[in-house]
This record gives sequence, structure tokens and C-alpha cells, in this order.
Amino acid sequence: AQKITQTQPGMFVQEKEAVTLDCTYDTSDQSYGLFWYKQPSSGEMIFLIYQGSYDEQNATEGRYSLNFQKARKSANLVISASQLGDSAMYFCAMSSDQTGANNLFFGTGTRLTVIP
Amino acid sequence: AAGVIQSPRHLIKEKRETATLKCYPIPRHDTVYWYQQGPGQDPQFLISFYEKMQSDKGSIPDRFSAQQFSDYHSELNMSSLELGDSALYFCASSSATPSGNTEAFFGQGTRLTVV
Repeated sequence: AQKITQTQPGMFVQEKEAVTLDCTYDTSDQSYGLFWYKQPSSGEMIFLIYQGSYDEQNATEGRYSLNFQKARKSANLVISASQLGDSAMYFCAMSSDQTGANNLFFGTGTRLTVIP
Repeated sequence: AAGVIQSPRHLIKEKRETATLKCYPIPRHDTVYWYQQGPGQDPQFLISFYEKMQSDKGSIPDRFSAQQFSDYHSELNMSSLELGDSALYFCASSSATPSGNTEAFFGQGTRLTVV
């Protein structure tokens, strides 16, 4: 069975600073994908970044980077230079499908608030 | 760029009624996924389709059914609605390639309220 754990229900960060959102996972699969999604108060689910279990390099997408530590089964999201628009709920998710969105298991989310 | 379109955006139904949610994937995407997110909850996978065939099945109740049509749009049919069905329903789409699916993009969701 797959499990995603996000231990930070809420986080605060000062505008323009960096913040790390924690995510640990558990799976017996050798091949899997890890995802981060952003859900603003308007409700839509926005894909941020993806890391495949066989990728050796940490994924980066603009101000987002994924700190992938396979041995520790962690996939933390780092947001650099936080902006007010980053305030949202952030979900870590996992799939044995590598990519796509098949049977994604989501964590309980972290609500990030960016302070001016 | 075109995104995943879901309709309606909001829907209010009474208990025991039926509801149909529609999802129009990104052009050239052949795979569709449905998720249900209850209030304050994380999204739960319901079902997925690839090339009009059911691909995978999650925690979809027997009262729900879904299909993907020849134009790749998908519909989620929900019957005998219960108060607990009130949730945000997301559709996502991706494209299958020989090396796996491309990243999936979610629609804005349909907020269903059962009263």
C-alpha cells in the first residue's frame, strides 16, 4: 500500500523568503512518481512539479524545486522567493504510474500563508 | 493554451437525485481521470479511462458510473445522491506515450452540493 505523509498542517513564510514543505512517502513499488500540486482558495488543482523514482537529479520548475531523498523516502518541495500569490494549500501525491494521474495518493496537505 | 474543461462549475441537487458531470480533456489527451475531494479532505481517486476503456478504478461507489466517449470527453454519472456526495469533483487529463503518460493537468473542478 502507498502512503503519503505531510506533517505540517500550516506554514507561514515571509514574502521573498524560501520555504520547505515536507513530504514523506511509503511504498513497496520500485517504480513510482512523486508530484506536488497547489490548490488556491478558488479550488482548482495546479500541477507544480514531478519527480520520477529513477530520476537522479532533483526536479526544478522555476521557483519550485523538489528535494528528493530516496533512501529517506522524502520529497520535500522548496519554494524560493515566496510571493503573496503562493498562499494556498499544497498537496504531495504519489503514483505507481510514474507520470499521468492514475491512482494518485494524496497527502493531507499543507496550508502555506505568505506574509507581506 | 487550452486546459481541461469541466462543466458545470457548480451544481446543487437534492438527495436521491441524479447528476452528470462532464469533462473535456486537453486536445490530443487520450487519458482522463476523476477525483473526489470532500470538504477539508485530500482528493481521492475514483476512476480513469484510456482510449475509451476503463483503465483503473479507485474508490468509486457503485451508484456512480463513468465513461469516455469517442471525442475523449468523459462523463461521471451519479445516482441516488447522498449528502456525503457533496464534494469537489476533479477531472484530469494526460496523454499516453510509449514511455508512459505525460504530466496530467486538472480541470477547475465541479462543486457538487447535495441538499
